[in-house]
Amino acid sequence: QKEVEQNSGPLSVPEGAIASLNCTYSDRGSQSFFWYRQYSGKSPELIMSIYSNGDKEDGRFTAQLNKASQYVSLLIRDSQPSDSATYLCAVNRKAAGNKLTFGGGTRVLVKP
Amino acid sequence: KAGVTQTPRYLIKTRGQQVTLSCSPISGHRSVSWYQQTPGQGLQFLFEYFSETQRNKGNFPGRFSGRQFSNSRSEMNVSTLELGDSALYLCASSSQTGDTQYFGPGTRLTVL
Repeated sequence: QKEVEQNSGPLSVPEGAIASLNCTYSDRGSQSFFWYRQYSGKSPELIMSIYSNGDKEDGRFTAQLNKASQYVSLLIRDSQPSDSATYLCAVNRKAAGNKLTFGGGTRVLVKP
Repeated sequence: KAGVTQTPRYLIKTRGQQVTLSCSPISGHRSVSWYQQTPGQGLQFLFEYFSETQRNKGNFPGRFSGRQFSNSRSEMNVSTLELGDSALYLCASSSQTGDTQYFGPGTRLTVL
C-alpha cells in the first residue's frame, strides 16, 4: 500500500463544472496536508494547505480533511481550461521535519 | 519576496560524472528540502537541511549528498551518475517545521 494514494485520472470535466479530487493516506501521524498544482514541465505550485478537520475555502478551491477516515479532498468550482494540470496531494508528519510524502497525482482535463 | 531559485535549470551529463545543483530559499526561510521527480516514481524526498544540519534523509543511495550554508543556500551533489538519475530535481523552502513548502523551478538533469 502506498503511503499517499490518488487516482491518476485523467479526470475530465466540462468547463464551469466542479472537479472533485480525492487523496487517502496511511500514516495516522500525518499533521499537515497540502494540494499542489503542477503544469507539464513546471514545478509544483501550492494551492491549499489544511491542518485540521473540516473544510477550508480559498476562492474557487475547497479542501476537505477527515483525519478519522484518513482522506483529504480538493474541490475546484467553476473549472476553467487553465485548471488543466496534475494535482498533487502531499502530507507531512511534523515530527519528521519538512519531509513531504506525495501521492502520484491526478491529471485533470477541463474541456471548453 | 523573491521566490526559490535553482541553478542551473538544465544539465546534461554522462554516466560516471558528478553534478552539483544549487538552491537559494526564500529570504528568511531556514529549511531547504530536496526532491527528485521522475515519471516512474513520482516526487520523492531526498533530504532536508535546517540551519546547516541535515535533519531528514530519504531512501536514496549515498551518492546523493547535500549541504547547507550559513545563508541557508543549499547544494546537492550526485556522484557517479547513473542513467536512472535523470530527473527533475526540485528544492523547496519553508520557514518552519510542518509549514508550507514553496518549490523552486527545478533543475532538469539528463544523464547520457
